[in-house]
Amino acid sequence: AQSVTQPDIHITVSEGASLELRCNYSYGATPYLFWYVQSPGQGLQLLLKYFSGDTLVQGIKGFEAEFKRSQSSFNLRKPSVHWSDAAEYFCAVGARAAGNKLTFGGGTRVLVKP
Amino acid sequence: ETGVTQSPTHLIKTRGQQVTLRCSSQSGHNTVSWYQQALGQGPQFIFQYYREEENGRGNFPPRFSGLQFPNYSSELNVNALELDDSALYLCASSSRGQLMNTEAFFGQGTRLTVV
Repeated sequence: AQSVTQPDIHITVSEGASLELRCNYSYGATPYLFWYVQSPGQGLQLLLKYFSGDTLVQGIKGFEAEFKRSQSSFNLRKPSVHWSDAAEYFCAVGARAAGNKLTFGGGTRVLVKP
Repeated sequence: ETGVTQSPTHLIKTRGQQVTLRCSSQSGHNTVSWYQQALGQGPQFIFQYYREEENGRGNFPPRFSGLQFPNYSSELNVNALELDDSALYLCASSSRGQLMNTEAFFGQGTRLTVV
């Protein structure tokens, strides 16, 4: 069975500082990996995805993520955080063999200090 | 913004009642998945519909059921509502038959409150 762990429930970062959100997954085969962002009361917006190929993936809003198979991780990074990045971030794993369903982590809430 | 629309946006129901939530998928997408997101948690997969048939189901009881229509829109029905059914219900559309068919686009969700 698939599972995703996001170890950090809350992260507070100063505006302009760098951000890294951790994600560890469990899946027997090659996973499809995603990061989504959710603003309060809103749906989920896809930031980036990894299916295969280059393990460093670029996404929207200046985010990137690196797939590390040996560590079963897919951490999200941003070099310089803006106040508008305050939101909840979800890592998810999916696979065709699992009927294309997405399994999400519990989320990390990011607070941005001025 | 995605082309996935959900209605209604908010809903209050009484325990034991039944509810129907609706989702219009993005143009060109033939697959709809439903997720339940309880407060403070990540979304959990309820089920998926493809070509008007259920195609995969999560760990939800049979009182959660759905439909998909020929235009690929979908409904989620929940019978005998319980207080724990209070959550944000998210619809996601995607397109099977393509390499990246697990890329899902989400609607804004329906906030269901059961009292």
